[in-house]
Amino acid sequence: QKEVEQDPGPLSVPEGAIVSLNCTYSNSAFQYFMWYRQYSRKGPELLMYTYSSGNKEDGRFTAQVDKSSKYISLFIRDSQPSDSATYLCAMSAHNNNDMRFGAGTRLTVKP
Amino acid sequence: DAGVIQSPRHEVTEMGQEVTLRCKPISGHDYLFWYRQTMMRGLELLIYFNNNVPIDDSGMPEDRFSAKMPNASFSTLKIQPSEPRDSAVYFCASSPPRTGELFFGEGSRLTVL
Repeated sequence: QKEVEQDPGPLSVPEGAIVSLNCTYSNSAFQYFMWYRQYSRKGPELLMYTYSSGNKEDGRFTAQVDKSSKYISLFIRDSQPSDSATYLCAMSAHNNNDMRFGAGTRLTVKP
Repeated sequence: DAGVIQSPRHEVTEMGQEVTLRCKPISGHDYLFWYRQTMMRGLELLIYFNNNVPIDDSGMPEDRFSAKMPNASFSTLKIQPSEPRDSAVYFCASSPPRTGELFFGEGSRLTVL
């Protein structure tokens, strides 16, 4: 079993839809949770950062962490074609020096 | 700041050749990471440095891979000899002190024929 599991998709939605992206993990020591967005032929860039459990909202994006279930989610409201990218979840036990990434979910938002 | 700078952006080489990938981290960042990304295995951590010192190289696949960081503004990842299965996109990332954010370069796409 991989340490971080993420459905690679691909996921295709119409513009304006609500998108839900998810990851599960097995290491209960993880306490830093991140979502990175990666456009084609570019490096990943940090989208959301959450410490421990709870929700965090930033504009159209909401990150949720449920440590009891070892499950994290990213919601995108009113999705736009510019949101089309691969979304990678990432997590670590000690901040940035042991980060583990999910496989990434490729999202396409169609106009 | 220009961000993390990697070179070359693309490299095509033949099996058995030496490959050197280069990285200039963001000034002031004390962590530097080398990752490899493939369709099959996703993003894998190869090695990371803190203040120019290698901390964890357990992700380096074989002795053919080596990495150095001679100073705070430069790092190299070397593959010698290269093999077709090394074909991947290699990312360098740096991180400032006491944060969890990684800043990635645009990657070096390596093809070994």
